[in-house]
Amino acid sequence: GQSLEQPSEVTAVEGAIVQINCTYQTSGFYGLSWYQQHDGGAPTFLSYNALDGLEETGRFSSFLSRSDSYGYLLLQELQMKDSASYFCAVMGGGADGLTFGKGTHLIIQP
Amino acid sequence: KAGVTQTPRYLIKTRGQQVTLSCSPISGHRSVSWYQQTPGQGLQFLFEYFSETQRNKGNFPGRFSGRQFSNSRSEMNVSTLELGDSALYLCASTPWGGNANTGELFFGEGSRLTVL
Repeated sequence: GQSLEQPSEVTAVEGAIVQINCTYQTSGFYGLSWYQQHDGGAPTFLSYNALDGLEETGRFSSFLSRSDSYGYLLLQELQMKDSASYFCAVMGGGADGLTFGKGTHLIIQP
Repeated sequence: KAGVTQTPRYLIKTRGQQVTLSCSPISGHRSVSWYQQTPGQGLQFLFEYFSETQRNKGNFPGRFSGRQFSNSRSEMNVSTLELGDSALYLCASTPWGGNANTGELFFGEGSRLTVL
């Protein structure tokens, strides 16, 4: 089986940087993904890490350490539109499909 | 290119009824997976279909079933509805299936089911 842990809520200030952590336990591992979901909307793909290290896509970066079963999503220059829920997800192989964490609700304050 | 389309967007059923939800994937995508999203449990994997074959199945009772057609459109069915089945049911598609997936799923906006 697979399980992922991430904080339920994080609060940050507009213009600042915030890091959302994710730890996982899996029986197999192919990669760690991150998704963003606004209230009432569909989850949208942000990034995918299959190898250790940092992947950067604009204001968003994602990091993976396979040896620590740990990853994080880094959001820079926060904007009000970044207020959303963020999910980490593991592709662990086997019959479990893509397993999601329960999500982190990011609150941006002006 | 049209996105993933799910119908109906909202529906209300009563306990004991059954429901069928439909998903049309992005053109060219052959893999369709279904997820149940609830406030308490987050997104939970239901099943994945690739080229009309169920490849993976999550830990849900047999009341939850699905199928995929030759045009890659998919349906899921829930029989003998229970109050706890109230949730947002999300469909996602990718060009690939199973472990070839790079973790990038393209989600529809979901079908919100309320069971009374």
